[in-house]
Amino acid sequence: GENVEQHPSTLSVQEGDSAVIKCTYSDSASNYFPWYKQELGKRPQLIIDIRSNVGEKKDQRIAVTLNKTAKHFSLHITETQPEDSAVYFCAASQNTGNQFYFGTGTSLTVIP
Amino acid sequence: DSGVTQTPKHLITATGQRVTLRCSPRSGDLSVYWYQQSLDQGLQFLIQYYNGEERAKGNILERFSAQQFPDLHSELNLSSLELGDSALYFCASSVRSNEQFFGPGTRLTVL
Repeated sequence: GENVEQHPSTLSVQEGDSAVIKCTYSDSASNYFPWYKQELGKRPQLIIDIRSNVGEKKDQRIAVTLNKTAKHFSLHITETQPEDSAVYFCAASQNTGNQFYFGTGTSLTVIP
Repeated sequence: DSGVTQTPKHLITATGQRVTLRCSPRSGDLSVYWYQQSLDQGLQFLIQYYNGEERAKGNILERFSAQQFPDLHSELNLSSLELGDSALYFCASSVRSNEQFFGPGTRLTVL
């Protein structure tokens, strides 16, 4: 089955700096890669996703890049703000409606 | 609000007991997924149902079972509870798109 690894497990950045979280996956058949943000005690919420036919996707301060050959994808947050502090999870899945394989999460702290 | 509802919000029970967690997916979503999140842990996939049928199984214990009813709501049954079962239990739903929408979770405490 699919195995998703996520690094780092914790990340602290100064407000205004950039943050990068990296994930690798093992199954070349995976073709959908979402990123979820989970604030303390809240539900995970989708912040951005990318499909395997695209190499990069951007939404304001958030971007995701995908390298299919190397089987890794990354989340980039620019101009970080304190409200970006949360746990971020990457995931991989195959085809529509199939289960997600989640990474172990990255706890991001943005220091004001 | 994702449109996915879960009840109850909190549940406190004793070891050895049995509980049922309930999830109502977003209107029109056919798939329901159950996840367990222990303290400071990631999201462990338990099981997926699609339109009433079991579709995928993750690391779900034999003491746990689930079902999806004709109205598409789902229940997760946890029996012979142990201290280690204390966790947040999330359900998520999706339709044809890949995106999964998560409910607010049920926090289970086993004493």
